[in-house]
Amino acid sequence: DAKTTQPPSMDCAEGRAANLPCNHSTISGNEYVYWYRQIHSQGPQYIIHGLKNNETNEMASLIITEDRKSSTLILPHATLRDTAVYYCIVRAQHNFNKFYFGSGTKLNVKP
Amino acid sequence: DVKVTQSSRYLVKRTGEKVFLECVQDMDHENMFWYRQDPGLGLRLIYFSYDVKMKEKGDIPEGYSVSREKKERFSLILESASTNQTSMYLCASTIAGTPYEQYFGPGTRLTVT
Repeated sequence: DAKTTQPPSMDCAEGRAANLPCNHSTISGNEYVYWYRQIHSQGPQYIIHGLKNNETNEMASLIITEDRKSSTLILPHATLRDTAVYYCIVRAQHNFNKFYFGSGTKLNVKP
Repeated sequence: DVKVTQSSRYLVKRTGEKVFLECVQDMDHENMFWYRQDPGLGLRLIYFSYDVKMKEKGDIPEGYSVSREKKERFSLILESASTNQTSMYLCASTIAGTPYEQYFGPGTRLTVT
């Protein structure tokens, strides 16, 4: 599975958009990009996933570059409850093994 | 709402003890997983199960075993706990065919002394 690189931390003002980048330059054609987050003392929470098209759901938008070597998770109007560690994961869809979360990005949403 | 519950939030056990961690999901999911999470190492898969009585080893199965006698319940067993098994243990489940959207339980922080 492809390795991902994320900044260790980011700050965002409450109410503004939070844009979290992820590099995955070794991604293979059958690998999806997944985003999860983990709020302190809770289990991880699925956010969104995509293959090559941009995706949007009630929580966030996922923008994947045309060459698929990087992606950005967008939280359109960040709230204090969005403060969490955000993990970008690249994995073939049916590969249960190697679901490696890595260190993620700690997003601090400030009032 | 999918609910994944774990038997304990915090557990303290002594070296050599047999430890049972239980996970229950209420959404009839086929797939269930056990992970451990350690600082700097991320989330690592211990075992998973895609059906009752079926199990597959993950990345780090050594020192652990699992049991899935009923679809909703997946147990992780530490036959003889050791201090290097002190960790946060997370259970997750998914519907067959949607392996990406894993629902996680709140975790069990196990300390082995």
